[in-house]
Amino acid sequence: QSALTQPPSASGSPGQSVTISCTGTSSDVGGYNHVSWYQQHPGKAPKLMIYEVSKRPSGVPDRFSGSKSGNTASLTVSGLQAEDEADYYCSSYAGSNNFDVVFGGGTKLTVL
Amino acid sequence: QVQLQQWGAGLLKPSETLSLTCVVYGGSFSGYYWSWIRHPPGKGLEWIGEITHSGSTNYNPSLKSRVSISVDTSKNQFSLKVSSVTAADTAVYHCARRDIVVVAYDYWGQGTLVTVSS
Repeated sequence: QSALTQPPSASGSPGQSVTISCTGTSSDVGGYNHVSWYQQHPGKAPKLMIYEVSKRPSGVPDRFSGSKSGNTASLTVSGLQAEDEADYYCSSYAGSNNFDVVFGGGTKLTVL
Repeated sequence: QVQLQQWGAGLLKPSETLSLTCVVYGGSFSGYYWSWIRHPPGKGLEWIGEITHSGSTNYNPSLKSRVSISVDTSKNQFSLKVSSVTAADTAVYHCARRDIVVVAYDYWGQGTLVTVSS
């Protein structure tokens, strides 16, 4: 069982918006702003989409946005496109006495 | 352009030691944490541990007793060893890079499927 809880699936039609949640605790998501999101297509390595809750790396479309409220972080994909269909994973720093990083179980995003 | 290329044995028997190596091409080798992350089939990602160019390490508390990460700065390489493997260690293993300050992985290796089976 993963440390962070994500819904196993999400879906939307092209052009629509979809939001994926990532729920942790005050020891990880709620305690730090080191929440990141990764996109993974089948057979490929994960790609960083969001870091530090809401920052986008260079080259990531602004259709992808992140936010956090309490112990839950969210990834919103606006203007859904076919190529957005992938697995999405959240991650958070979880260290207190020692450095630790935890991930979510992943959400399969389907573009209908 | 930063590239991470990894290699290692893909089939192990229970109780053997898993060994993987990742070489970094392009960019600086210092100023980053070089990490190992695995993806068991049908499950989420799991952080294993990380190392800097100077050898400073952090390990996942649940794996710490069996994991060792080392670095060879002369070759821009870092390596992972996991001892006494079981079927639960079957996963795709990725090497990855994160900034010293930012806890996010911006470059990843292609992944190596490691299967533990008798």
